[in-house]
Amino acid sequence: AQSVTQLGSHVSVSEGALVLLRCNYSSSVPPYLFWYVQYPNQGLQLLLKYTSAATLVKGINGFEAEFKKSETSFHLTKPSAHMSDAAEYFCAVSDILTGGGNKLTFGTGTQLKVEL
Amino acid sequence: SQTIHQWPATLVQPVGSPLSLECTVEGTSNPNLYWYRQAAGRGLQLLFYSVGIGQISSEVPQNLSASRPQDRQFILSSKKLLLSDSGFYLCAWGQGGGSWGETQYFGPGTRLLVL
Repeated sequence: AQSVTQLGSHVSVSEGALVLLRCNYSSSVPPYLFWYVQYPNQGLQLLLKYTSAATLVKGINGFEAEFKKSETSFHLTKPSAHMSDAAEYFCAVSDILTGGGNKLTFGTGTQLKVEL
Repeated sequence: SQTIHQWPATLVQPVGSPLSLECTVEGTSNPNLYWYRQAAGRGLQLLFYSVGIGQISSEVPQNLSASRPQDRQFILSSKKLLLSDSGFYLCAWGQGGGSWGETQYFGPGTRLLVL
């Protein structure tokens, strides 16, 4: 089964600083990878998705992620943090299910705090 | 555009009481539908999925059940709630078609507290 590991359950940055959230995957086949964001008491919102079309994936709200096969990584970055970026971020990998459909396996999440 | 609704938003139920959570999707046909649970110490976990009306598959054995009475309606139920059923329940829909790597879109969630 495929899996993802998120290093750092809490990350704190200053407003305007670089955001780097780490995700490493384990997969025996080329993976489909996702980043989702969750604001307090809300559902998950898709930030971006890797489908092997390009190693650098641009998402919403200025986020991007780079797929590095040699490092089995899919880290999420944003050049300049904004207060509104404070949320929990989840990396996920997709597995196809026997009966059809896909199962998302999530990492444990990284809580991003943005300070003035 | 597609929209996914969940209700209720919050629910407080006593142990042993029944449960019914509803999820509906608008703006798409024959979606794959999913129930995930987010609980402290257990992360985000897939509970049930459905690729069509009346078709339900369970990922983990538990006290819950799911049904899909209509194409865009997905219901999560329990006859008798346990304390361990507390959590944040998220419904999601996918593009379907049986393809790998479909994008899943999540609803706003239902916060369930069992006392």
